[in-house]
Amino acid sequence: DVKVTQSSRYLVKRTGEKVFLECVQDMDHENMFWYRQDPGLGLRLIYFSYDVKMKEKGDIPEGYSVSREKKERFSLILESASTNQTSMYLCASSPWDRSYNEQFFGPGTRLTVL
Amino acid sequence: AQTVTQSQPEMSVQEAETVTLSCTYDTSESNYYLFWYKQPPSRQMILVIRQEAYKQQNATENRFSVNFQKAAKSFSLKISDSQLGDTAMYFCAFMKQSSNTGKLIFGQGTTLQVKP
Repeated sequence: DVKVTQSSRYLVKRTGEKVFLECVQDMDHENMFWYRQDPGLGLRLIYFSYDVKMKEKGDIPEGYSVSREKKERFSLILESASTNQTSMYLCASSPWDRSYNEQFFGPGTRLTVL
Repeated sequence: AQTVTQSQPEMSVQEAETVTLSCTYDTSESNYYLFWYKQPPSRQMILVIRQEAYKQQNATENRFSVNFQKAAKSFSLKISDSQLGDTAMYFCAFMKQSSNTGKLIFGQGTTLQVKP
């Protein structure tokens, strides 16, 4: 059974803190994604990675960075958390083979920045 | 740039009835994929159905079917015989066939409530 896990379901942080959100997939997928989900805006892509140590900016990368040191793990980093980063964060993965182009999602991390 | 629009923020349907969720998109691409994803309350998002733009036949998965109108850039989801477990947020999504990374563009989402 395919699986994407995220380190926390709920997280509360203070403004200015450095925040790490971790995502792990066990499907040997090349592609991994970080999305932000906000009411009325759907899912917006923050960053994605298509290989170890490779990353590309998505649509809303400002205030975020990522790290992919191992194929199965993709981390999202908020260098200095701000209240406007309060949101639901979803991780996803997909294989490189685009004939099978489904993305598999984690359960999400609901982050509150006070 | 591609955009995906879901104009119905919320919908409700009685159990066992049929409901249709709307989605329109804008693209200059000829070849692409369209998807409907389901996000149940407090559970992981899962793929419901996908459509390849080059296929004229509408995709079907059990009680779920799509009405794909390429010229109109419309991609609606029909749920037949609605069940309580269909209660969820539904997202329409677009992917260029030429995409090297499988990047998806999502609509705003439609919250569907199935009532007993």
